[in-house]
Amino acid sequence: SQTIHQWPATLVQPVGSPLSLECTVEGTSNPNLYWYRQAAGRGLQLLFYSIGIDQISSEVPQNLSASRPQDRQFILSSKKLLLSDSGFYLCAWSAFPISTDYNSPLHFGNGTRLTVT
Amino acid sequence: QQPVQSPQAVILREGEDAVINCSSSKALYSVHWYRQKHGEAPVFLMILLKGGEQKGHEKISASFNEKKQQSSLYLTASQLSYSGTYFCGTSLLGGFKTIFGAGTRLFVKA
Repeated sequence: SQTIHQWPATLVQPVGSPLSLECTVEGTSNPNLYWYRQAAGRGLQLLFYSIGIDQISSEVPQNLSASRPQDRQFILSSKKLLLSDSGFYLCAWSAFPISTDYNSPLHFGNGTRLTVT
Repeated sequence: QQPVQSPQAVILREGEDAVINCSSSKALYSVHWYRQKHGEAPVFLMILLKGGEQKGHEKISASFNEKKQQSSLYLTASQLSYSGTYFCGTSLLGGFKTIFGAGTRLFVKA
């Protein structure tokens, strides 16, 4: 069965410090990978998605970046964190869609709660 | 592009029914429904494809009307475990992105 691992679970970082969040998927190959962010009490904002190694699309201009060095590894990074980067970061995977009319269900990791102080 | 959910919040007593709506100004190709418990990750409930179909999960079902660009989630005889925030996610052409609504907070009390 497929599993998704995301770490760390909690992170407190000062403004201006770098960030690296990692996510790995097991039990499947060539997954679509996603990073979402959820501000406190708010909805899910899509940050990045990737349909393959070195194929990453950014949805929201910001000081974050994503990389996919291996098929089942997705990394979210920042060189300098801002207060507004605080939130609940969720990595997710889905199977490659069977058609352009259909998006496979998302399976989320347990999330990283980031507080920028 | 973000789908619009209504209502924003619902308070129910155990055994009552609720309907959560999701609409889009863009053509919908598929609709996902997820439930998120406080402090946890969202969990997939069901996906609906074009064709106005209904699907069910326990006593939770949903419909999808692509002509009206709407989907509705029906919670029947609600249980305490139904409490959480419900999100609809819509798939845009291309099949790779799921964009979520702002969520509907559901609280079921005994």
